Amino acid sequence: DIQVTQSPSSLSASVGDRVTITCRASQDLTRSLAWYQQKPGKAPKLLVSGASDLESGVPSRFSGSGSGTEYTLTISSLQPEDFATYYCQQYHYDWKFGQGTKVEIE
Amino acid sequence: QVQLVQSGAEVKKPGASVTVSCKASGYIFTDYTLHWVRQAPGQGPEWMAWINAGNGYTKSLPKFEGRVTITMDTSATTAYMDLSSLTYQDTAVYYCAREGYNSAHDYWGQGTLVTVSS
Repeated sequence: DIQVTQSPSSLSASVGDRVTITCRASQDLTRSLAWYQQKPGKAPKLLVSGASDLESGVPSRFSGSGSGTEYTLTISSLQPEDFATYYCQQYHYDWKFGQGTKVEIE
Repeated sequence: QVQLVQSGAEVKKPGASVTVSCKASGYIFTDYTLHWVRQAPGQGPEWMAWINAGNGYTKSLPKFEGRVTITMDTSATTAYMDLSSLTYQDTAVYYCAREGYNSAHDYWGQGTLVTVSS
């Protein structure tokens, strides 16, 4: 069973800030890692798959990186619509989500 | 455009069963695998199971084996998730999601709230 640890669990930031969220796995995911954004009452929205492939229509301020057991989602300049909860998901073996990172307004 | 439309909210008593449907449109139904993911109040999403709409093969997380049944009607382009022996811990929003080309979940249904209450 692959364990996925996401950090931090929450963060406060201001519009324009650079934000970084990290996901660590218990074994090599071979870049089988996705990032989702979820707003209250809505389904998760796929932002990044394959560790760094941005989904069509997702703003370029979002980027994913990493390999092996450590992965990162970066928002280069936080916008008002980016305040949400973000989840990583490994799909190297079955599918498992991280615990989430709530991005709040500072 | 791809759409996944789920059935409405349900309230069930402990020990009962629930069926949630997921109607797909905007793509070739049998070309993709559909997954079921649930999210308990205040918690992160939890993957439950999938069905390969091309051949009907299914797989579920071990904790749900014996309680979850995933089926489909290809003529209706609809998948179904049956969950039996409900407990209060099964109260959650249940989502269907399509598995994209690289195995992430690229399209999601709107979610179905299942409340287990006596």
